[in-house]
Amino acid sequence: GQSLEQPSEVTAVEGAIVQINCTYQTSGFYGLSWYQQHDGGAPTFLSYNALDGLEETGRFSSFLSRSDSYGYLLLQELQMKDSASYFCAVANQAGTALIFGKGTTLSVSS
Amino acid sequence: EAQVTQNPRYLITVTGKKLTVTCSQNMNHEYMSWYRQDPGLGLRQIYYSMNVEVTDKGDVPEGYKVSRKEKRNFPLILESPSPNQTSLYFCASSLGSRGGEETQYFGPGTRLLVL
Repeated sequence: GQSLEQPSEVTAVEGAIVQINCTYQTSGFYGLSWYQQHDGGAPTFLSYNALDGLEETGRFSSFLSRSDSYGYLLLQELQMKDSASYFCAVANQAGTALIFGKGTTLSVSS
Repeated sequence: EAQVTQNPRYLITVTGKKLTVTCSQNMNHEYMSWYRQDPGLGLRQIYYSMNVEVTDKGDVPEGYKVSRKEKRNFPLILESPSPNQTSLYFCASSLGSRGGEETQYFGPGTRLLVL
């Protein structure tokens, strides 16, 4: 089956850079997704990596190493509004459903 | 506006009283799914549907039913709710599944308390 590991909490200050790691075990791999969820809100899509390397979208970047079964989300120039939970996710073996990690709560302080 | 809607947003019920949480999307998406979210456990998939009349179990299907009679609607049914089904429920939709490549759009969530 699929399993994902990510840290439960990360803290940082405004303007800093933070990296949220995700390691996964899968029987069949398609790609690694990242979602953001503010407290009490709906998860929203951030990124998807199918190939090795770094993809940048504004202040957020996502990295994947398929050989290491590892990826990370990099958040730069942190803002208070980035305080949220971040989930990595992979598809099941059939590619028909997403399996989410337990989430990393990021707290940004001033 | 493209969106996924869920109703009700909040619900308090008692053990054994059947309930239905509705989910509707206006994006003509083929794929829809239900998740529950519990503290420390993240999002766990309950059921998903690849298209009309095509549904399948996710990781935690026990105690739930779904149906997909129309493309836009995917209701979640709790025939006999129990306190361990107290949770935050999210409906989501996407164009397809394709190994997670398709962005999933989530509804606002339904907070359910079963007494």
